[in-house]
Amino acid sequence: EDKVVQSPLSLVVHEGDTVTLNCSYEVTNFRSLLWYKQEKKAPTFLFMLTSSGIEKKSGRLSSILDKKELFSILNITATQTGDSAVYLCAVEVGEDSSYKLIFGSGTRLLVRP
Amino acid sequence: DTGVSQDPRHKITKRGQNVTFRCDPISEHNRLYWYRQTLGQGPEFLTYFQNEAQLEKSRLLSDRFSAERPKGSFSTLEIQRTEQGDSAMYLCASSWLGGRGYTFGSGTRLTVV
Repeated sequence: EDKVVQSPLSLVVHEGDTVTLNCSYEVTNFRSLLWYKQEKKAPTFLFMLTSSGIEKKSGRLSSILDKKELFSILNITATQTGDSAVYLCAVEVGEDSSYKLIFGSGTRLLVRP
Repeated sequence: DTGVSQDPRHKITKRGQNVTFRCDPISEHNRLYWYRQTLGQGPEFLTYFQNEAQLEKSRLLSDRFSAERPKGSFSTLEIQRTEQGDSAMYLCASSWLGGRGYTFGSGTRLTVV
């Protein structure tokens, strides 16, 4: 059965800290790994990774994928209170034209001023 | 509006009643997904349509749940004889090519009392 595991489940930091969120997976028919931010309603897209070793960056956020060890990390530097949210890791699985997302449980991040 | 719309936003129902939710995807998207998210968990895959064809249903989906997508446009998710364990956020997503292209709606929060 396809499985995505995130750690830690929750994290409390102070503004300015750097955080690392982890995602490991065991799936068949891997297509891509995606990170989302969820602040109460719809998950919003952050990154998509398909190849190992290529770091994706967007401002203070960055992510990297290791397809050999089957994990990804999401880094957030110089955290701000606006970064407080649940961060979801999802693996897209499937073949041909049929695919879907398998999510982890999420990491709840709270950034205190 | 170019996003994914879900209606209603909130639904409170008594145990044993039937409920129906609606999702209007992005018009160009041929794929439509239903997910269920309980407190502290990531979204769990329920079912998936490509155009009007329902291509996959989670084996966790009981026979009280049924989904349709007539004419490949909007979709409905019906839950018959609701149980307290059905209380959750029901998220709809649509996609054209997958990958970074999944767009989520804001969800319907169901409370069964």
